[in-house]
Amino acid sequence: NAGVTQTPKFRVLKTGQSMTLLCAQDMNHEYMYWYRQDPGMGLRLIHYSVGEGTTAKGEVPDGYNVSRLKKQNFLLGLESAAPSQTSVYFCASTYYDRLGEQYFGPGTRLTVT
Amino acid sequence: TQLLEQSPQFLSIQEGENLTVYCNSSSVFSSLQWYRQEPGEGPVLLVTVVTGGEVKKLKRLTFQFGDARKDSSLHITAAQPGDTGLYLCAGATGTASKLTFGTGTRLQVTL
Repeated sequence: NAGVTQTPKFRVLKTGQSMTLLCAQDMNHEYMYWYRQDPGMGLRLIHYSVGEGTTAKGEVPDGYNVSRLKKQNFLLGLESAAPSQTSVYFCASTYYDRLGEQYFGPGTRLTVT
Repeated sequence: TQLLEQSPQFLSIQEGENLTVYCNSSSVFSSLQWYRQEPGEGPVLLVTVVTGGEVKKLKRLTFQFGDARKDSSLHITAAQPGDTGLYLCAGATGTASKLTFGTGTRLQVTL
């Protein structure tokens, strides 16, 4: 049981490049989330999904897109990376009735130069 | 936008000391979680509190949810170096179990 996994762990992009971050969970969770963590700002919700084929915007969605084609996977895309998107990205998941008790992946550290 | 303010931001103490971390908001949450995060890893859930006034204990850690469900505290008794890490509180709202995170308290416990 791997829990929540994220690919890749580290990435360096140049401004304007695109990339996709992959999150996978093997716990059959309905809800999945993408956060970014910046110094002094805690974790902020980018996008989330309440089930396969559904996505919704969180607190800071601009510049990101997401897709949930399979229940176990949640993809985060950056179409044209900007230095302001340098951050650590975390994926999380939970059951629909678990009071917000989320399970987090190990994170992806992204640097945009 | 719901905000959760944590205090203090940083805490450096010696082994054996007690400490309390506070998490305050002007918003009411359906539940509140405390997470601990170590460098290079994702947050790990410590506890969930749901009922106003609720107190939960996890070994040397005591968590309390305010009567109005707007604030919470984490008290650590006899801190140990293994308690070192970033402590995050997070409040859940009803829709999709979305969490609003506090800015975190970075705790360092030295020998």
